This record gives sequence, structure tokens and C-alpha cells, in this order.
Amino acid sequence: SQKIEQNSEALNIQEGKTATLTCNYTNYSPAYLQWYRQDPGRGPVFLLLIRENEKEKRKERLKVTFDTTLKQSLFHITASQPADSATYLCAHESGGSYIPTFGRGTSLIVHP
Amino acid sequence: DAGVIQSPRHEVTEMGQEVTLRCKPISGHDYLFWYRQTMMRGLELLIYFNNNVPIDDSGMPEDRFSAKMPNASFSTLKIQPSEPRDSAVYFCASSLGGGSEKLFFGSGTQLSVL
Repeated sequence: SQKIEQNSEALNIQEGKTATLTCNYTNYSPAYLQWYRQDPGRGPVFLLLIRENEKEKRKERLKVTFDTTLKQSLFHITASQPADSATYLCAHESGGSYIPTFGRGTSLIVHP
Repeated sequence: DAGVIQSPRHEVTEMGQEVTLRCKPISGHDYLFWYRQTMMRGLELLIYFNNNVPIDDSGMPEDRFSAKMPNASFSTLKIQPSEPRDSAVYFCASSLGGGSEKLFFGSGTQLSVL
């Protein structure tokens, strides 16, 4: 079955640098990938969607790429700020239902 | 719009008791989802509804769990009897359309079963 994997180790970076988070999948190429942000004690909040036939999507300081050869999506935050510190989840469609199935998330910590 | 509203925010109960979690989705959204989040297993889909009809409940752990959606503006997730391993954060989410449509999550219910 399809597995979606995110780095379980927290990513620590300095303010102003670019944060890059990784989402890997194991089998078939999903029709789409979504990225969400989750703050402690809150529900996930949708950030970006990228479809299988798209290479890149941007929104303000955020950029998502989708590489079907590497079976990987990268999520970039440029000019990172301490306020960007949160857990970031990727999700992909699950089988025929196309309902999002989530990875376990990667914690990002931006140091001032 | 107030977003997806869940209640209660916190629930502490003793093993064997019945627990009912409540959710009000965003008005006009036709999909409603119940997810459970733990450190060990991450965010797992339990069940989802389309137009108040349960579509896939394969993620429901066992018969102790049940979910209903009597109308477009209300859903419940019930655990009876509850067990300590049910302790988790339970999220309700809604979306306008299924598939790749973005989900809007509530703030969750932190459930602790002692």
C-alpha cells in the first residue's frame, strides 16, 4: 500500500534562511499533494496544493515542488521567520476515494 | 464564518464510560471527516461523510466507535465503552467537495481516558 513519509526529526534553522521540508511517497504517484501547517493545540491549516502534472506552485514565501521521478515533494519557506515555527504536514490522495491521507509531519523551528 | 466548531475542547473520562464528541461543519460544505491524531500514528482518518451519508468507515478502530451525521450542520463521534488507548486528539474537518479540495479543521477535542 502507499506510504507517505516525512522526516520525523525537527528541522532547526536560523531566521532569514530557507527552510526545506521533504515528503516522500513509496508506490504510485499520487494525483495531488497538499501541505498543511499545524500549531500546538490547533487543527491543521491548508497551505498549498500541487497536482501530479505540476512541477511547482508558489504562494508568497512558500514554494512546493513535485518530482514524480524521485517520488518526492519539497516544501520551501524562504526568508523564514520565528512565526513560521510549526509542524508541517503533507497529505496525498488515498486510493480511489481521493481523500487526503496525512504524513506524520515535520516540526520546523526557526531561531531568531 | 466561524469555521468548523468542535466540542468539547477537552474531555477527561474514566475507562468504560461513554464519550460523545460533537462537530459543526462549515455551512455549505458537503464533506465531513473525523480524524484522530496521536504521537505514534499521526493523523488517521476514521470516517467521512458526503451529504450526511457515511462513505468510508474503514478507519474506525472497532465496534466501540460510531459516528452519525443526522443533518448537514451536525455530526457526532461516540466511543462506548471508552478505553485508555482511545486517548488522543480527535479532529473534525469539512470541505466543499471531495478529492483534492482543501480540508478545514476544527480545533480538536483532547480526549483522555483514565
